[in-house]
Amino acid sequence: EPEVTQTPSHQVTQMGQEVILRCVPISNHLYFYWYRQILGQKVEFLVSFYNNEISEKSEIFDDQFSVERPDGSNFTLKIRSTKLEDSAMYFCASSASSTSSNIQYFGAGTRLSVL
Amino acid sequence: SQKIEQNSEALNIQEGKTATLTCNYTNYSPAYLQWYRQDPGRGPVFLLLIRENEKEKRKERLKVTFDTTLKQSLFHITASQPADSATYLCALLTHTGKLIFGQGTTLQVKP
Repeated sequence: EPEVTQTPSHQVTQMGQEVILRCVPISNHLYFYWYRQILGQKVEFLVSFYNNEISEKSEIFDDQFSVERPDGSNFTLKIRSTKLEDSAMYFCASSASSTSSNIQYFGAGTRLSVL
Repeated sequence: SQKIEQNSEALNIQEGKTATLTCNYTNYSPAYLQWYRQDPGRGPVFLLLIRENEKEKRKERLKVTFDTTLKQSLFHITASQPADSATYLCALLTHTGKLIFGQGTTLQVKP
């Protein structure tokens, strides 16, 4: 069964460093998302992406965040200058549709630890 | 802003019993409400979706109801098994396509 894959599974970085989290969405999906989950808290929407541009972003998704689909298969989340409070699980998701049933398929996540 | 609340953080039940989880929402009228399962250290896995014009949806041992008057969805697992132990998330699907998740209910099914 097709699945969303994320790498790395765990990323440790120093405060102020840049990180890139990578995702390979399901191949025929057109809509891509990033969510994050701080330990013990809700899964929170960060950004949605369609047709090579951001469709919607949350208040969390400030100027230090960016997303890119550099080729036909990868979808990346870059955090330019990490802060301690960026430590969380980051989940990539993809879907075939943005409306109707919009079932989003999630990857296993990248645990980001900012020291 | 839209709010979604799952009124139990944890639920412990005996194997074979029916688990019932509750999800309430405010400040929104979603066309769709979804339920996901999340295991520790893993991403959410889609279980069921229910539309606003549907009262009930079933899939094997799972049943979801949707009451748009009460702004509430109930999620039932019948004949529960220890393998059903996980965190269950309800989520609103907004008109822009993003999901707004509740905080989850952690279900523990004891043998």
